[in-house]
Amino acid sequence: EAGVTQFPSHSVIEKGQTVTLRCDPISGHDNLYWYRRVMGKEIKFLLHFVKESKQDESGMPNNRFLAERTGGTYSTLKVQPAELEDSGVYFCASSLGGASEKLFFGSGTQLSVL
Amino acid sequence: QQQVKQSPQSLIVQKGGISIINCAYENTAFDYFPWYQQFPGKGPALLIAIRPDVSEKKEGRFTISFNKSAKQFSLHIMDSQPGDSATYFCAANRRYGGSQGNLIFGKGTKLSVKP
Repeated sequence: EAGVTQFPSHSVIEKGQTVTLRCDPISGHDNLYWYRRVMGKEIKFLLHFVKESKQDESGMPNNRFLAERTGGTYSTLKVQPAELEDSGVYFCASSLGGASEKLFFGSGTQLSVL
Repeated sequence: QQQVKQSPQSLIVQKGGISIINCAYENTAFDYFPWYQQFPGKGPALLIAIRPDVSEKKEGRFTISFNKSAKQFSLHIMDSQPGDSATYFCAANRRYGGSQGNLIFGKGTKLSVKP
């Protein structure tokens, strides 16, 4: 069974540019989460989808971040325009049920904003 | 404001020794406490988890000890092996009510097990 897939694995962009991260959850997992880890800090929750609906987006830093999950399958996270403080590793995770039980994480996208 | 405090930041243990990582939380509404293990270049993977109705949970060489009154929980790795070298994250969550998907993570502990 394929795990959670994220791409790109690395992205280097300049301040002010746009970047789109993609996540393919495990097939059949209705719950999809985005998390971010800034270097040396804790992994922080960004948002949670249940199918195509945003269940909780309380962790989104600001309106430069836009997450979508069209059709309840894969999800994208767009940062526009990117700022230096957006650098970090963006993780996607999925789960069969809710309540955070047994989250399966992808390998992450390392985003560097120069 | 960090709601889960994890220590130490890094840990070096000899092969065969015991690795101990500690976490403390503030929110008494938390009722699910998982530990995640992350190898370089990979995402975190669930290692073991505990609910507050028990004080200890053991899976193989890994044990979680939970102290509800002190709002602390810890991970013990017995007979530590070089293959255990990874970053370990504790986390907490309120499973019912509020945001069920919002795991609150500690800052992580980088464990190195020397052969």
